[in-house]
Amino acid sequence: AQKITQTQPGMFVQEKEAVTLDCTYDTSDQSYGLFWYKQPSSGEMIFLIYQGSYDEQNATEGRYSLNFQKARKSANLVISASQLGDSAMYFCANAGGTSYGKLTFGQGTILTVHP
Amino acid sequence: DTAVSQTPKYLVTQMGNDKSIKCEQNLGHDTMYWYKQDSKKFLKIMFSYNNKELIINETVPNRFSPKSPDKAHLNLHINSLELGDSAVYFCASSPGVGAVYEQYFGPGTRLTVT
Repeated sequence: AQKITQTQPGMFVQEKEAVTLDCTYDTSDQSYGLFWYKQPSSGEMIFLIYQGSYDEQNATEGRYSLNFQKARKSANLVISASQLGDSAMYFCANAGGTSYGKLTFGQGTILTVHP
Repeated sequence: DTAVSQTPKYLVTQMGNDKSIKCEQNLGHDTMYWYKQDSKKFLKIMFSYNNKELIINETVPNRFSPKSPDKAHLNLHINSLELGDSAVYFCASSPGVGAVYEQYFGPGTRLTVT
């Protein structure tokens, strides 16, 4: 079984600063994937970044990076140089190696970027 | 070109009615999913198909029935709609089955049952 915990219901950041969104996970699978999605107020779900459990390096995609600490079971999302358009709900999710790709989502964190 | 599309975007209907939501992907993916997002924004998987075969069937009332006529389409039919079915339903697709594949979501269908 998979479990994702996002403990920050809301976060605020000043434009151009970096922000970290926390995510911890629990899984009984040896192989698994961790994902972050962005949901703006318009409602669509946008894939941001992926980290595999066997990847030794932290994933990066443009301004997004995933701080993967396997021993602590954490997969925090770091957004550098925040922009006003980053204001959205962010979801962490995982899929176990035996789960046929089933994503288990956390509760989400609302990020607000201030000018 | 829209990668994953859903119709309709909004659906307002009365209790007891039957309705369908359609999903199409033009990404050439093998696997498609249905997720439900409730009023508290919690997302939960409902079903998944791989190459037209049902591979995930979560604990969902029998009133919900998915159908995949081909790899590019996954529809969701809901019988005898109830107030609690009001939610946003997302279709998603991925290149394959497993923990290594990212899923691409459609725009969602907001279902309101009155």
